[in-house]
Amino acid sequence: DIQLTQSPSFLSASVGDRVTITCRASRGINSYLAWYQQEPGKAPKLLIYAASTLQGGVPSRFSGSGSGTEFTLTISSLQPEDFATYYCQQVNFYPLTFGGGTKVEIK
Amino acid sequence: EVQLVESGGGLVQPGGSLRLSCAASGFTLSNYAMHWVRQSTRRGLEWVSGFHSSGDIYVLDSVKGRFTISRENAQNSFFLQMNSLRDEDTAVYYCVRRRNYLDVWGKGTTVTVAS
Repeated sequence: DIQLTQSPSFLSASVGDRVTITCRASRGINSYLAWYQQEPGKAPKLLIYAASTLQGGVPSRFSGSGSGTEFTLTISSLQPEDFATYYCQQVNFYPLTFGGGTKVEIK
Repeated sequence: EVQLVESGGGLVQPGGSLRLSCAASGFTLSNYAMHWVRQSTRRGLEWVSGFHSSGDIYVLDSVKGRFTISRENAQNSFFLQMNSLRDEDTAVYYCVRRRNYLDVWGKGTTVTVAS
């Protein structure tokens, strides 16, 4: 199974900060990676797919990059509604797997 | 509006069974690959089972032989039959549409396995 390791698992940041989250795959997954945002008590929401393509309706301050085994999610200027938990997920191989999550909290 | 609504969760004893249902609206379920994903504090987000676009069914090893997915196109519904439930199956279960990626999620239904 593909293991996805996210770092950091927790980060504290202020409104307006630039934030970067990393996801490393245990073996190459081409660009078959997605990023999800999850607010407390809600289902995950697709933000980015194919490593760098923004899902419709997602603000342009979110961006993704990477391929193979190294991926990043960047929020260029953190907004109050961005404080949530973020997950990466690979769809190149079954079983589909998720990273452990990165919780972004207000500093 | 595209929507998925799960039902059927609840409290069940170890070894028991539950059948989760997922009702789709705003799109035709048979045109998409549908999946179940669960989330627990202990195990995080965990994909459970789903139909690939080819029609093949894939199942997480730890639930193989116990969980079965099916769909009823006439009802625009998708199901997860869970047998021989274990403590570690306790989670919120989400019904999810896959259009290459998991793009539409239901709100989830909670399954608690406990005596």
